[in-house]
Amino acid sequence: EAQVTQNPRYLITVTGKKLTVTCSQNMNHEYMSWYRQDPGLGLRQIYYSMNVEVTDKGDVPEGYKVSRKEKRNFPLILESPSPNQTSLYFCASSLGSGQPQHFGDGTRLSIL
Amino acid sequence: QKEVEQDPGPLSVPEGAIVSLNCTYSNSAFQYFMWYRQYSRKGPELLMYTYSSGNKEDGRFTAQVDKSSKYISLFIRDSQPSDSATYLCAFGQYNFNKFYFGSGTKLNVKP
Repeated sequence: EAQVTQNPRYLITVTGKKLTVTCSQNMNHEYMSWYRQDPGLGLRQIYYSMNVEVTDKGDVPEGYKVSRKEKRNFPLILESPSPNQTSLYFCASSLGSGQPQHFGDGTRLSIL
Repeated sequence: QKEVEQDPGPLSVPEGAIVSLNCTYSNSAFQYFMWYRQYSRKGPELLMYTYSSGNKEDGRFTAQVDKSSKYISLFIRDSQPSDSATYLCAFGQYNFNKFYFGSGTKLNVKP
């Protein structure tokens, strides 16, 4: 089954404690992206990757890092999380830029 | 001015009604137009995808794009309680790597 898998689905943690949210897709997609979804603000792009070792900033990259060492994986790293990063996060993938994206089921992060 | 505007609702309709969901946009460079449906505690799933003005139909769903007015719509015929979800419009550009999403319209179809 074609899917985008995120882990963990839920996480409550404290300010400053580094965390990683993993994302994996099994569709051999080149393009992957991370979004955060906040009430009234919709989906905002954090980072995206066109292919292995190729990443670039989206609209809200501050406080986040990503890496793309393998085609299927695109982890999101919060080196020093802060409460304003409390949000619902989605990973997505597609065949290429401009193509419709497939989304994971989301990771709800709470930073206390 | 926001690049994408979408009424958040909520929109409540009786089962069987025709539903109209709309988005306006300001960026004339947008070339791809999408509608996603998002159920509670799930990720968005693609409903409709088009890159031209006019109508595109898929079952009970019709996507309409008016590039001259910078306006897109999603029509749902014979709405069902299972259509209750949040609907997101989305936009993209050729050879441009960012996507832009509306904030979503919450739809409730009452049995």
